[in-house]
Amino acid sequence: EVQLLESGGGLVQPGGSLRLSCAASGFTFTSYAMSWVRQAPGKGLEWVSGLSDTGGSTYYADSVKGRFTVFRDNSKNTLSLQMNSLSPEDTAVYYCAKAMWTTDAFDIWGQGTMVTVSS
Amino acid sequence: EIVMTQSPDTLSVSPGERATLSCRASQSVSSNLAWYQQKPGQAPRLLIYGASTRATGIPARFSGSGSGTEFTLIISSLQSEDFAVYYCQQYNNWPLTFGGGTKVEIK
Repeated sequence: EVQLLESGGGLVQPGGSLRLSCAASGFTFTSYAMSWVRQAPGKGLEWVSGLSDTGGSTYYADSVKGRFTVFRDNSKNTLSLQMNSLSPEDTAVYYCAKAMWTTDAFDIWGQGTMVTVSS
Repeated sequence: EIVMTQSPDTLSVSPGERATLSCRASQSVSSNLAWYQQKPGQAPRLLIYGASTRATGIPARFSGSGSGTEFTLIISSLQSEDFAVYYCQQYNNWPLTFGGGTKVEIK
């Protein structure tokens, strides 16, 4: 079964850091680009960051550029998001998403992990 | 950044009726447009990619059309399980961007 399982969410104070992980299974992880997409409570979807199948190319939304770092460990089928200098505006459910072959439409999504930034 | 604008914000439709959702891009995205369905408490589900190609397992009542800057998702005969929020997403340029969503509710 194709599956993405996020972990690492939680409560963090403003200015703090958190690392999210996404464990992939059921497909050839090394062949697909991956992304993180977030959704603030009651709001729409916001693409956050993505990277190529090799991890050699990375991309960020302006809202997180310079604060978040995306990376992958293809030997462990794991995608990660290091989040620094967190603010309350980063509070959201964070989804890990798999891009389709040759497109960046997302055909597989994880269940999401909640990140709350609050004092 | 390409801005995606969806309309209407909310669409009230009776079961069995047709629903037409619109998505406009601030500049051309060619056919690099996807549609997703999201139900409360669930992750989004891919419906359409390439503006008009149904994803695996998506019923034929869902159809997408358009190219460039104007796109449409049609649900030909709404079923109870179709009441949800729908998002469009462009993947022609980085950063990838989503529309604000259209909520399809029961009339």
